[in-house]
Amino acid sequence: AQKITQTQPGMFVQEKEAVTLDCTYDTSDQSYGLFWYKQPSSGEMIFLIYQGSYDEQNATEGRYSLNFQKARKSANLVISASQLGDSAMYFCAMRERNAGNMLTFGGGTRLMVKP
Amino acid sequence: DTGVSQNPRHKITKRGQNVTFRCDPISEHNRLYWYRQTLGQGPEFLTYFQNEAQLEKSRLLSDRFSAERPKGSFSTLEIQRTEQGDSAMYLCASSPQAMNTEAFFGQGTRLTVV
Repeated sequence: AQKITQTQPGMFVQEKEAVTLDCTYDTSDQSYGLFWYKQPSSGEMIFLIYQGSYDEQNATEGRYSLNFQKARKSANLVISASQLGDSAMYFCAMRERNAGNMLTFGGGTRLMVKP
Repeated sequence: DTGVSQNPRHKITKRGQNVTFRCDPISEHNRLYWYRQTLGQGPEFLTYFQNEAQLEKSRLLSDRFSAERPKGSFSTLEIQRTEQGDSAMYLCASSPQAMNTEAFFGQGTRLTVV
């Protein structure tokens, strides 16, 4: 089974609007962390936001927030007030304590922001 | 410290040749990871070091692949007898010990096997 599933291969959003990128995960570990990374066309992986499995509040970092629904095993990324520079690939990833702490990535969502 | 550094940035090689990539992690990070990313896909885990010990290897890492991290600092990834299917971006990342910290990625080495 896929550890991380991102069901949206591509998304369009109008500049200045909010967008939600979906991520569901599969783990039997009680202790895990969820990460979102942005990868622009230049190729570097840029860390955006982190949510720990024991965190009770949803993580926020500037225009990024993570909608964490533990029972549903989902960790959706919300980007508010989209900007043209947000156009990129977005990857959801998980680190499990009992899996060597390596990051497992989903297949990504390509976000395109329209002016 | 300017972050994770990978060299070379690009490598074109003929099928059957050996190639070696280098990764210099952030100096205080004891964990180092290698990933492979093909076009349009997410990074796939290859191997992971804690200090100089190689703790985890993916089944993707065939016997043609070997990675080292002598002295727990920089790491090298060698691919022997390259095949066209090895063409990909090879990403290195490092992180501190704590599980709730992100991994910092280098800019990758793009390998093209012709």
